[in-house]
Amino acid sequence: AQKITQTQPGMFVQEKEAVTLDCTYDTSDQSYGLFWYKQPSSGEMIFLIYQGSYDEQNATEGRYSLNFQKARKSANLVISASQLGDSAMYFCAMTRSYSGAGSYQLTFGKGTKLSVIP
Amino acid sequence: GAVVSQHPSRVICKSGTSVKIECRSLDFQATTMFWYRQFPKQSLMLMATSNEGSKATYEQGVEKDKFLINHASLTLSTLTVTSAHPEDSSFYICSAESGAAETQYFGPGTRLLVL
Repeated sequence: AQKITQTQPGMFVQEKEAVTLDCTYDTSDQSYGLFWYKQPSSGEMIFLIYQGSYDEQNATEGRYSLNFQKARKSANLVISASQLGDSAMYFCAMTRSYSGAGSYQLTFGKGTKLSVIP
Repeated sequence: GAVVSQHPSRVICKSGTSVKIECRSLDFQATTMFWYRQFPKQSLMLMATSNEGSKATYEQGVEKDKFLINHASLTLSTLTVTSAHPEDSSFYICSAESGAAETQYFGPGTRLLVL
């Protein structure tokens, strides 16, 4: 069974600084996808970034980058130049094996609450 | 693109009544939609996987007779909480899978309070 571990319940970062949110995973699947989602206090889940297990390069999306280390089974999210609006819960997730045609279920970590300090 | 709406955003109901929550993909077709439940300060827990034109697949421990799912079209899935009780109070959030990139896009969620 897949498992996602986020060891940081809460993180603080100064505005304009970079921050790394940790995520480790465990799976027996050879092919899988890794995701990061942001959940502000309003509750909506906002997709940030995706990394496929066979992608050789680390994914980047604007200020977000995913530091993918396959051998260590880690997929840390790096946010550069933090902004006040980045304060939110951040969830790491991965796809899991599913028999449905062409569909992938997600397993989520427990989340990290990021607070950006002015 | 890849916008998912959910309605209602907030609902308060009396114990014993049923509540229907709608999840729509607005600008894409979704063969598969997912329903999650989230308790305060906890992660999302998958309840069921909804496939258009077929029965939903429920996670272990989720009562299929209590949480009725209907995926009537490629853009609409509904979750009906039947005979709701206070312990069903929670944040319910749906997602829809877009394209071949495995990415799930989430609706804004529905806060259910059962009195």
